[in-house]
Amino acid sequence: GNSVTQMEGPVTLSEEAFLTINCTYTATGYPSLFWYVQYPGEGLQLLLKATKADDKGSNKGFEATYRKETTSFHLEKGSVQVSDSAVYFCALSKASGTYKYIFGTGTRLKVLA
Amino acid sequence: GAVVSQHPSWVICKSGTSVKIECRSLDFQATTMFWYRQFPKQSLMLMATSNEGSKATYEQGVEKDKFLINHASLTLSTLTVTSAHPEDSSFYICSASPRVATNEKLFFGSGTQLSVL
Repeated sequence: GNSVTQMEGPVTLSEEAFLTINCTYTATGYPSLFWYVQYPGEGLQLLLKATKADDKGSNKGFEATYRKETTSFHLEKGSVQVSDSAVYFCALSKASGTYKYIFGTGTRLKVLA
Repeated sequence: GAVVSQHPSWVICKSGTSVKIECRSLDFQATTMFWYRQFPKQSLMLMATSNEGSKATYEQGVEKDKFLINHASLTLSTLTVTSAHPEDSSFYICSASPRVATNEKLFFGSGTQLSVL
């Protein structure tokens, strides 16, 4: 079946360090891929998305590229800030027009000043 | 952006009691709301989909008589965990899909941590 696997956290980095959070997926067809972020006390917010192979989603300095050959959608940021501390969820949507998302376990990121 | 308010943010209850969790879309109407559950170190799993004015659709393995969902208006959905037991302790989160198409299709509440003693 369809599934999303992301790296276990927590991830602890110093400010200005490079971030990678791995995400791989299993799906039939051509799913859309998403990264959501949840800051403390808030709901999940869409961070970026990609709807087809080789698409790159980007927002707030974060990037992720839809790699069909490796079934991956790794999240990267060149220089993290303390304000990036949050839980990051990778997700896929099985088909257009549906909002039934399949999520990963979430990865907690802690950035130290 | 659009806001979804989920209440309470955490609740502790005794085994056998029922707990109600509310999910409100504050500044938009939501035709569809979703309820998810996340056990420690596991994925956020979809439990059910509810459409305003109709019965909820439950995912396989989710007991509809135990997890009662009411979506009585375009801005409110409730999840009631009936006769809660310790194994129901989990993180529950709702999301809402706006009636009017927007660039972002889903908005999430902040979640409810349920602990059943």
